[in-house]
Amino acid sequence: DSGVTQTPKHLITATGQRVTLRCSPRSGDLSVYWYQQSLDQGLQFLIQYYNGEERAKGNILERFSAQQFPDLHSELNLSSLELGDSALYFCASSVGSNTDTQYFGPGTRLTVL
Amino acid sequence: DQQVKQNSPSLSVQEGRISILNCDYTNSMFDYFLWYKKYPAEGPTFLISISSIKDKNEDGRFTVFLNKSAKHLSLHIVPSQPGDSAVYFCAARATSGTYKYIFGTGTRLKVLA
Repeated sequence: DSGVTQTPKHLITATGQRVTLRCSPRSGDLSVYWYQQSLDQGLQFLIQYYNGEERAKGNILERFSAQQFPDLHSELNLSSLELGDSALYFCASSVGSNTDTQYFGPGTRLTVL
Repeated sequence: DQQVKQNSPSLSVQEGRISILNCDYTNSMFDYFLWYKKYPAEGPTFLISISSIKDKNEDGRFTVFLNKSAKHLSLHIVPSQPGDSAVYFCAARATSGTYKYIFGTGTRLKVLA
């Protein structure tokens, strides 16, 4: 158990819909990262927040957005969903934002039908 | 543009023998590298890391070697155990810039009893 929690574990929805994925970092961690893992693909970095502020941005689509709240939990919002958005979405957290080890949550499996 | 490549999607090794997992990168600015292990239905778990100022880092049965001139790193597991069967991801990042990690696509290791 990494100490990072993600909800829900599974999500099935239809194209065009909007969903919100939630992540609670390990106690004391200030950074939250979001990753997408599509079938047979590596982990694609989406976005990082550090202490409530956006710190780094990766290959995140404009239809996707994220935020980190004062209690440090984070939400990833995916809108106008397409079939290709079906993937595992992982959240990770670390103490700081430099070379600190990232601890991953168990992931949310999103299926878009 | 895959900056971190794991060219072997799978590897099978006999229990007790050495497992060698390889990773190549293209960005010469990368100066910190990590290996993660992932079991099915779980998030990736940090295994071992290496900074570019070193060429070797050891932790128990796991050793990571870094060859900066060849832009190549490898993970050695000795001796391999059935519990090591998992998908292994290498990741790289540059300490200057946006601090984001770039992950490879993973190598599925199967240790045969």
